[in-house]
Amino acid sequence: GAVVSQHPSWVICKSGTSVKIECRSLDFQATTMFWYRQFPKQSLMLMATSNEGSKATYEQGVEKDKFLINHASLTLSTLTVTSAHPEDSSFYICSASGLGHEQYFGPGTRLTVT
Amino acid sequence: DQQVKQNSPSLSVQEGRISILNCDYTNSMFDYFLWYKKYPAEGPTFLISISSIKDKNEDGRFTVFLNKSAKHLSLHIVPSQPGDSAVYFCAASAVGSNFNKFYFGSGTKLNVKP
Repeated sequence: GAVVSQHPSWVICKSGTSVKIECRSLDFQATTMFWYRQFPKQSLMLMATSNEGSKATYEQGVEKDKFLINHASLTLSTLTVTSAHPEDSSFYICSASGLGHEQYFGPGTRLTVT
Repeated sequence: DQQVKQNSPSLSVQEGRISILNCDYTNSMFDYFLWYKKYPAEGPTFLISISSIKDKNEDGRFTVFLNKSAKHLSLHIVPSQPGDSAVYFCAASAVGSNFNKFYFGSGTKLNVKP
């Protein structure tokens, strides 16, 4: 099956700093990539959808200036959490889809802001 | 507003018996449904899907049933195995420009006892 990787798998940063998370589709070209956030024992919440070469579409309530998404190529999307605060601590998961309907998920990134 | 709901946060089943996981949705525009399996600290992996033109889809030990009139779907796993222990998410999407935007339920944690 299709493989999606995320880096880093976990990161600890200080409040006020920025953190970049990478999402790569390793064996297929991802026309669309998605970024989700999951709180403990809760659903995956879609944050934004990005298509290669265009601006990301953010879901209601998600600050686009805080969560910067770049989808520069068909195999790479990045999420940058700017000026991170403890409430941004969460599990961030990306997914990628090609021409089909299925989304292939990365393993997730655990962000802890101290 | 949660458009996809999984009302049972957990389910415990004996090995060899049937596991039935339930999911309800509110948006009548949803026409494609998926089940994902997730282990701790990992991204979800695709299990099985069904489109609204069908009421049943089977893949090995996994069968998904769709009742459109009740806006309800279920995942049956038979026979259940200890390796099936994980969190199961159902997801739904609608035809149109947002066809690959998935709405996830909050998950059901399945424990299959040896």
